[in-house]
Amino acid sequence: EDQVTQSPEALRLQEGESSSLNCSYTVSGLRGLFWYRQDPGKGPEFLFTLYSAGEEKEKERLKATLTKKESFLHITAPKPEDSATYLCAVGSNDYKLSFGAGTTVTVRA
Amino acid sequence: NAGVTQTPKFQVLKTGQSMTLQCAQDMNHEYMSWYRQDPGMGLRLIHYSVGAGITDQGEVPNGYNVSRSTTEDFPLRLLSAAPSQTSVYFCASSYSGLKGHSPLHFGNGTRLTVT
Repeated sequence: EDQVTQSPEALRLQEGESSSLNCSYTVSGLRGLFWYRQDPGKGPEFLFTLYSAGEEKEKERLKATLTKKESFLHITAPKPEDSATYLCAVGSNDYKLSFGAGTTVTVRA
Repeated sequence: NAGVTQTPKFQVLKTGQSMTLQCAQDMNHEYMSWYRQDPGMGLRLIHYSVGAGITDQGEVPNGYNVSRSTTEDFPLRLLSAAPSQTSVYFCASSYSGLKGHSPLHFGNGTRLTVT
């Protein structure tokens, strides 16, 4: 059974304090690893898709990386507007998409 | 473009009542799906559809029905509400869905409470 585990559950940062979120997974044939951002009371919003180990994607202060067993979402010099819950999901060979429980990031000014 | 629109935003039901959660998308996406989100758990797939007239069960289908008569609409029906169905429900769509794993576009959710 596919499994996705995100850590930590919550992360409190000072503005400008860079950090990383982890998404570890076990999957029967990876067909894509997805990162989403979710604001309170809203639906998840797509950030990145990674398909193979070694791949990296960047968007503003966010950078996602992928290895064979885990993905990291690096937040560089975060601002308060980066506060959100970040969700990781993996797609497998049986065409299922499995989500992690998310990491809630709070950035204080 | 409105994207994915869900109604209602909030709903309170009594045990045993039935209701339909509405979902519509204006992106001509083939794939549509329903998830529920509970505290401390990841999004869990309830039902999905790869095109009009085609639906299939996800991870947690019991107590829910779906139909897909048009490309745009994908309603979720609760047959006889139970307290365990208290959750936030999200509808999501994508161009090619599970086949190509293209990114999902989510609605803003329906928060359902069953008393």
